[in-house]
Amino acid sequence: DGGITQSPKYLFRKEGQNVTLSCEQNLNHDAMYWYRQDPGQGLRLIYYSQIVNDFQKGDIAEGYSVSREKKESFPLTVTSAQKNPTAFYLCASSSPAAGANYGYTFGSGTRLTVV
Amino acid sequence: KNQVEQSPQSLIILEGKNCTLQCNYTVSPFSNLRWYKQDTGRGPVSLTIMTFSENTKSNGRYTATLDADTKQSSLHITASQLSDSASYICVVSMIKAAGNKLTFGGGTRVLVKP
Repeated sequence: DGGITQSPKYLFRKEGQNVTLSCEQNLNHDAMYWYRQDPGQGLRLIYYSQIVNDFQKGDIAEGYSVSREKKESFPLTVTSAQKNPTAFYLCASSSPAAGANYGYTFGSGTRLTVV
Repeated sequence: KNQVEQSPQSLIILEGKNCTLQCNYTVSPFSNLRWYKQDTGRGPVSLTIMTFSENTKSNGRYTATLDADTKQSSLHITASQLSDSASYICVVSMIKAAGNKLTFGGGTRVLVKP
């Protein structure tokens, strides 16, 4: 069954600590994305990658870092520089080569809480 | 500024009743509009995708409409079921040189009561 898997489902971070959120897809999608979701707000783009070994900053990249060493994987690191990291993080993938109406597939999300 | 506004923010309906959610957008140049359903603590799941030339699309009991002239869309839920309780997110895709960019609405939270 093809899909996109995020882990862990819940994550707790102490002050000053870096944490890494995992995102893996077996859909053979070229593009992958990280979004942050806060209550009552629309999803905001953190980083995206359209091809292996290349990624671009989204609208709220400060305090986050990513890598794209493999097509299937796009991990997100929340660094200590991110002052308000508590949120629901969603990973998505898509296949732009499919045309203008290509769909996005989302993972089940990781809820990060600062303790 | 490219924005997507959804109304109402939340909605309570009785099981079996119909409801309509609204989405207004200012995104330009427009590529397509998508409606997603998001269960609590889960990722969004696509319901419909509509391009400029499409003014209605259905997916089971969900029917989306699009008026590209007035930049408005609606999502109609027919004969609601308890499993329809979720947030519904309107997403507008904008054409950019580097690929489409998505702008998300804040969502409408629907609660279906027995």
